[in-house]
Amino acid sequence: EAGVAQSPRYKIIEKRQSVAFWCNPISGHATLYWYQQILGQGPKLLIQFQNNGVVDDSQLPKDRFSAERLKGVDSTLKIQPAKLEDSAVYLCASAFASGRSNEQFFGPGTRLTVL
Amino acid sequence: AQSVTQLGSHVSVSEGALVLLRCNYSSSVPPYLFWYVQYPNQGLQLLLKYTSAATLVKGINGFEAEFKKSETSFHLTKPSAHMSDAAEYFCAVSQTDGNQFYFGTGTSLTVIP
Repeated sequence: EAGVAQSPRYKIIEKRQSVAFWCNPISGHATLYWYQQILGQGPKLLIQFQNNGVVDDSQLPKDRFSAERLKGVDSTLKIQPAKLEDSAVYLCASAFASGRSNEQFFGPGTRLTVL
Repeated sequence: AQSVTQLGSHVSVSEGALVLLRCNYSSSVPPYLFWYVQYPNQGLQLLLKYTSAATLVKGINGFEAEFKKSETSFHLTKPSAHMSDAAEYFCAVSQTDGNQFYFGTGTSLTVIP
């Protein structure tokens, strides 16, 4: 089966610019996650969707970050305006269902560099 | 609150030697624990998971991990390292009322020929 798709793979922008990332989960997966992975750290959850509803966005910096999953399939994460500290890899993951033991499948990530 | 601590941000082993990557967790309830591997420029791939069944969990690529409640540990081992095992390894614990994962800071494994 096709894995989690993300685009673009790399993005370089200047601070205060806007950027958007796209994720297409594995077909049939109801749960979708966006993670931020700063160099040298483990992934940190930004937002979790169950179908097209937000389950958890407690760690999403809502003053500059937004995400949507309008039709319950693919998702977009936006940063506006970007700051230097937003430089990181943004990982998208999906799971068939929510639940503690359900495996999350990760995409290859988008590496963002903010200059 | 749940968290994981990975001791040793970098581990080097010789090819054919034992691999031991350490993970300790804190959790107010019985945890679900996971090990993921990340190869350069790729996403994370599940190696194995513990979900309150057998305490010794076998995963892919010859890896296994043992859940030790008394030590709050879930160390990852492989009897004989291969060059292809060189990667970043992350331990994670899942939250009790959902499936939000808390990841450790990762351990970079280098395999020396």
